[in-house]
Amino acid sequence: DTGVSQNPRHKITKRGQNVTFRCDPISEHNRLYWYRQTLGQGPEFLTYFQNEAQLEKSRLLSDRFSAERPKGSFSTLEIQRTEQGDSAMYLCASSLVWTGENYEQYFGPGTRLTVT
Amino acid sequence: QKEVEQNSGPLSVPEGAIASLNCTYSDRGSQSFFWYRQYSGKSPELIMSIYSNGDKEDGRFTAQLNKASQYVSLLIRDSQPSDSATYLCATYTGGFKTIFGAGTRLFVKA
Repeated sequence: DTGVSQNPRHKITKRGQNVTFRCDPISEHNRLYWYRQTLGQGPEFLTYFQNEAQLEKSRLLSDRFSAERPKGSFSTLEIQRTEQGDSAMYLCASSLVWTGENYEQYFGPGTRLTVT
Repeated sequence: QKEVEQNSGPLSVPEGAIASLNCTYSDRGSQSFFWYRQYSGKSPELIMSIYSNGDKEDGRFTAQLNKASQYVSLLIRDSQPSDSATYLCATYTGGFKTIFGAGTRLFVKA
């Protein structure tokens, strides 16, 4: 078990450009989450997948954000037409489906996005 | 009112002391509770989960849950400088969503 991995670890882009991040969850985990975290705040939920199905998307997420998990394994998060306000740490986490007392989410190292 | 509230700190304790971190939550439907540790510039690391009222101990860490008071705490015994970090409290209410507090910064002075 190698844990959750994310790539790239850092991304600097110019305003208006598109960026894509990748997340590889723990292999047996069928739930995958994306969060955004800014300085001094806790992780803020963006979206989640159960297997390949995207079951929920935060109302805070604009239409410029899209996520996929095509085969129920890795996931990508794309931000189109980036804005300076998108600068943040983007975190991916994975877990098993909740069965009562088995719902720990494990985070990847994150992708730090800087929009200039 | 925020859904999960934590004192932002910083909480400063001397090495070897007990650090007490507190969290309150607003949703009575919350079912599971978690404490994460986050070092500066790193991602959150799960250190404790608790699901039932009472205490749960794991090494130097003890999580305490009181659902009637909507309160969860984390005690760190024999605090070490390496425990200096931000501690995030999180609650899960079923479905999909885990709500995180903004975290409490802990400093352990050598």
